[in-house]
Amino acid sequence: DAKTTQPTSMDCAEGRAANLPCNHSTISGNEYVYWYRQIHSQGPQYIIHGLKNNETNEMASLIITEDRKSSTLILPHATLRDTAVYYCIVANAGGTSYGKLTFGQGTILTVHP
Amino acid sequence: DTGVSQNPRHKITKRGQNVTFRCDPISEHNRLYWYRQTLGQGPEFLTYFQNEAQLEKSRLLSDRFSAERPKGSFSTLEIQRTEQGDSAMYLCASGDGELFFGEGSRLTVL
Repeated sequence: DAKTTQPTSMDCAEGRAANLPCNHSTISGNEYVYWYRQIHSQGPQYIIHGLKNNETNEMASLIITEDRKSSTLILPHATLRDTAVYYCIVANAGGTSYGKLTFGQGTILTVHP
Repeated sequence: DTGVSQNPRHKITKRGQNVTFRCDPISEHNRLYWYRQTLGQGPEFLTYFQNEAQLEKSRLLSDRFSAERPKGSFSTLEIQRTEQGDSAMYLCASGDGELFFGEGSRLTVL
């Protein structure tokens, strides 16, 4: 699986948008971009995933550049409960390797009042 | 459905003892995964099951580790002759699309 690069930490004010970048310059054509987050002392939680089109769900939006070498996760109105480690992962969406996710260090997002 | 359930949530044991963790996945999910997470690191893949078949094991899973999923329902992860380096959070996940993780079982080996 392709490797990802994320900033170690980011801060965001409550109510503002949080934009979390991720570089995945070696992503291959059949690999998706996944985002998970992990709130302290809990298991990781799926947020969103995409292949090449922008995606939006009730939690977040995912913007993938046209060359697919980077992406941005957007939390439109961050709350204190969004404070967590955010992991950007590239992986195949199907086949025998699905679910074998390679987590990096992630980005520690701290939302301030 | 209450999600992925793991037991026990915490286990403290002495070096050399055996421990077993249980995972009850979301009932309709065919795939079940085990991950390990040490302090300050992201989770690392250990193994996964498609129904009752164990299809892949990481090289992190030494011969002291064994996982089973009888009848394709719950799964157990056993660690024999525990070592201090086994201290970690053991996470179970299930899913046939995105993964749903349990709260984890934290192991401390003294």
